[in-house]
Amino acid sequence: QQQVKQSPQSLIVQKGGISIINCAYENTAFDYFPWYQQFPGKGPALLIAIRPDVSEKKEGRFTISFNKSAKQFSLHIMDSQPGDSATYFCAATSSNSGYALNFGKGTSLLVTP
Amino acid sequence: KAGVTQTPRYLIKTRGQQVTLSCSPISGHRSVSWYQQTPGQGLQFLFEYFSETQRNKGNFPGRFSGRQFSNSRSEMNVSTLELGDSALYLCASSFRDGAYEQYFGPGTRLTVT
Repeated sequence: QQQVKQSPQSLIVQKGGISIINCAYENTAFDYFPWYQQFPGKGPALLIAIRPDVSEKKEGRFTISFNKSAKQFSLHIMDSQPGDSATYFCAATSSNSGYALNFGKGTSLLVTP
Repeated sequence: KAGVTQTPRYLIKTRGQQVTLSCSPISGHRSVSWYQQTPGQGLQFLFEYFSETQRNKGNFPGRFSGRQFSNSRSEMNVSTLELGDSALYLCASSFRDGAYEQYFGPGTRLTVT
């Protein structure tokens, strides 16, 4: 079964707006939550990641918010740009699972000019 | 530093044949994982190798196998190909045992006819 649920499936945001993608997980043993960005014809690229001992991590225009009690985490892309148009995947893993990444189904983001 | 490289990039095979895909990890990385990406199932973990040993395996049939060489390069093999094996096969490398960060290659696009 899908261990990580991701929404929305697709998202259209105007240039300069905020893109928000949400993920939820069930396995409380997960202790590492990365986000990947994938462009057509390319492999996923590690964007940003968070551990459950912090509630927020920011890198440039990208921020992860993490809610351990709700078992949810989200990616915020501030000042979204057309170059951000890609598919975004959340994932979760733990040392117990041998670091195998459990991915969400992905969100196709389109940033319009 | 060069990224993860995968060969070949594209492959067309006939049902019933077998195929071998190759992955060279980032220099110095010793762990290699394989993932299958399809539109329907998304990204799914196949297996992970460290120091030439398979340490973790996903929920795939025995037709899917792999190995890792002493220089950390890895191969995966799929025997008796089925139409449903058509997918993008992605290799990811990690620096060391216990490293959470995985860096993906561009993938091999396998089409089974």
